[in-house]
Amino acid sequence: GAGVSQSPSNKVTEKGKDVELRCDPISGHTALYWYRQSLGQGLEFLIYFQGNSAPDKSGLPSDRFSAERTGGSVSTLTIQRTQQEDSAVYLCASSYAGTGLETQYFGPGTRLLVL
Amino acid sequence: AQSVTQLGSHVSVSEGALVLLRCNYSSSVPPYLFWYVQYPNQGLQLLLKYTTGATLVKGINGFEAEFKKSETSFHLTKPSAHMSDAAEYFCAVSLNAGNMLTFGGGTRLMVKP
Repeated sequence: GAGVSQSPSNKVTEKGKDVELRCDPISGHTALYWYRQSLGQGLEFLIYFQGNSAPDKSGLPSDRFSAERTGGSVSTLTIQRTQQEDSAVYLCASSYAGTGLETQYFGPGTRLLVL
Repeated sequence: AQSVTQLGSHVSVSEGALVLLRCNYSSSVPPYLFWYVQYPNQGLQLLLKYTTGATLVKGINGFEAEFKKSETSFHLTKPSAHMSDAAEYFCAVSLNAGNMLTFGGGTRLMVKP
């Protein structure tokens, strides 16, 4: 595709509900990243995929957060039992091979609001 | 572990004036350095990056940055600001082994007519 796409663009949910956020990376990119952007914490790394495996999950803030990637392409970030502090913009990025010097291409983000 | 500090969460310049956005990093090994720009309600777009070689890096939209190892800095400059430059700018570092980006807190650039 032309770029990284994310859906939904906006999501409003009630505290305690589960949400799924989707990311479609650039075709052919093997590396995929999730970041969170919030007023209090700035831009934080959440998780990194190389292919379908996640060698670095160190940024996931709690066990309510999980992510998977299938077919080396689409990724889903799931937040269970959402809390108000989960409100943020969730950004997905992809890069060709996942080395540190590569450009990461970002999607427009999913804006999550937990009421 | 690496960290990034951007001095000044808000910077205001007049149209046509010099833009200088500051970024300092700490890292146990030489990092790769990036500047990204974010326009309202959009994702991040790469302005420029330093990996190896020439320490003065030119990017899109007339921006450039210089890697100064002795000062652990990677400041972003543009000789003449345009109204369209108003956005939020993020400095970031990565290590080859780590892959993920560590971002500074961001600097919101405002351009006055």
